[in-house]
Amino acid sequence: EVQLLESGGGLVHPGGSLRLSCAASGFTFSSYAMSWVRQAPGKGLEWVSGISGSGGSTYYADSVKGRFTISRDNYKNTMYLEMNSLRAEDTAVYYCAKYGMTTVTTTGFDYWGQGIVVTVSS
Amino acid sequence: DIVMTQTPLSLSVTPGQPASISCKSSQSLLHSNGKTYLYWYLQRPGQSPQLLIYEVSSRFSGVPDRFSGSGSGTDFTLKISRVEAEDVGVYYCMQAIHLPITFGQGTRLEIK
Repeated sequence: EVQLLESGGGLVHPGGSLRLSCAASGFTFSSYAMSWVRQAPGKGLEWVSGISGSGGSTYYADSVKGRFTISRDNYKNTMYLEMNSLRAEDTAVYYCAKYGMTTVTTTGFDYWGQGIVVTVSS
Repeated sequence: DIVMTQTPLSLSVTPGQPASISCKSSQSLLHSNGKTYLYWYLQRPGQSPQLLIYEVSSRFSGVPDRFSGSGSGTDFTLKISRVEAEDVGVYYCMQAIHLPITFGQGTRLEIK
């Protein structure tokens, strides 16, 4: 059974930093690309970032480029999102999602984690 | 970026009746490999999204056959043949042919 468990969320001041983790199980982690998708309170879904199965290719939404860094440790079956220079508009539930293939492009998400709340506020 | 537009934004359906949601993309989602990268997700209240349909019309594992997807190019439809109480939630279409991946605004389905 595929399981994705996010952790590391919480309350942070504007300009602060936070590191999210996504622990994966139930599949061969290194064979699949992974992604972060967020949902602001009462809003729709926004793709944030994606990383290939090997970790060699990373992609970002313009809204987070230069501030967020996605990475993965295929030995620990864990994906990360390092978030710096956080803004109020980054407040959202952050979901970890598994792609259906090893590449980030031309494939959608087949499994999602339960989500973790990030609140940016003074 | 590819803009995904869903209609209607909300739907109220009597149990046992059909429902239909439209999704239009600002660019064709047909890839040169012949596949069309259009997906449908359901987000039940208080839950994370779950995959219903991939590549326009393929039902994901465990998805009831009352859900069906159709369409091509830029126009797509999700149909529920007979709505049940458990189908309540927000339905999203998503394109995955070009980055950034983009979603429709969501269609909220409620039961009458």
